[in-house]
Amino acid sequence: DSGVTQTPKHLITATGQRVTLRCSPRSGDLSVYWYQQSLDQGLQFLIQYYNGEERAKGNILERFSAQQFPDLHSELNLSSLELGDSALYFCASSGRGSPDTQYFGPGTRLTVL
Amino acid sequence: QQQVKQSPQSLIVQKGGISIINCAYENTAFDYFPWYQQFPGKGPALLIAIRPDVSEKKEGRFTISFNKSAKQFSLHIMDSQPGDSATYFCAARRGGSNYKLTFGKGTLLTVNP
Repeated sequence: DSGVTQTPKHLITATGQRVTLRCSPRSGDLSVYWYQQSLDQGLQFLIQYYNGEERAKGNILERFSAQQFPDLHSELNLSSLELGDSALYFCASSGRGSPDTQYFGPGTRLTVL
Repeated sequence: QQQVKQSPQSLIVQKGGISIINCAYENTAFDYFPWYQQFPGKGPALLIAIRPDVSEKKEGRFTISFNKSAKQFSLHIMDSQPGDSATYFCAARRGGSNYKLTFGKGTLLTVNP
């Protein structure tokens, strides 16, 4: 158990809909990262937050947005969903003591029908 | 543009054998190279990592070999066990204030008993 929690575990929705994925980092970790894992693209970095502020952006679509709240949990919002958005979404966190080490949560499997 | 190329895509090894997975990178600004292990239904977990100032790092049965001039690094799993069967990802990170990881596409390792 990495200490990172993600909810929900599974999400099934329809095209055009909007969903929110939630992540709670390990206790004390200030950095949160979001990754998308699909069969064709592999693990792709989406976005990083550090203590509430956006720190880095990767291959994140404009339909996707994220934020980190004062209690350090983070949410990834996916809107106008398309079939191609079906994937595993992972959250990871890292702390000041070892910023290189990212601890991944169990993921949220999103299925868009 | 795939910045970290990983091979092979899949690997079958007999119990007790040596598993070798290779990765190559283009960006010389990368300064941290971790390997992650992922079991089905779980998030990736950090296995071992290396920085470019050393050529080899060993932790138990797992060894990273690093060749800076060739921009290549590899994971060796000695005395491979059925419990090592998983997907392995190499990754790389640029120096700087953000710690986003660029992943290879993964290698599915199967260790036969």
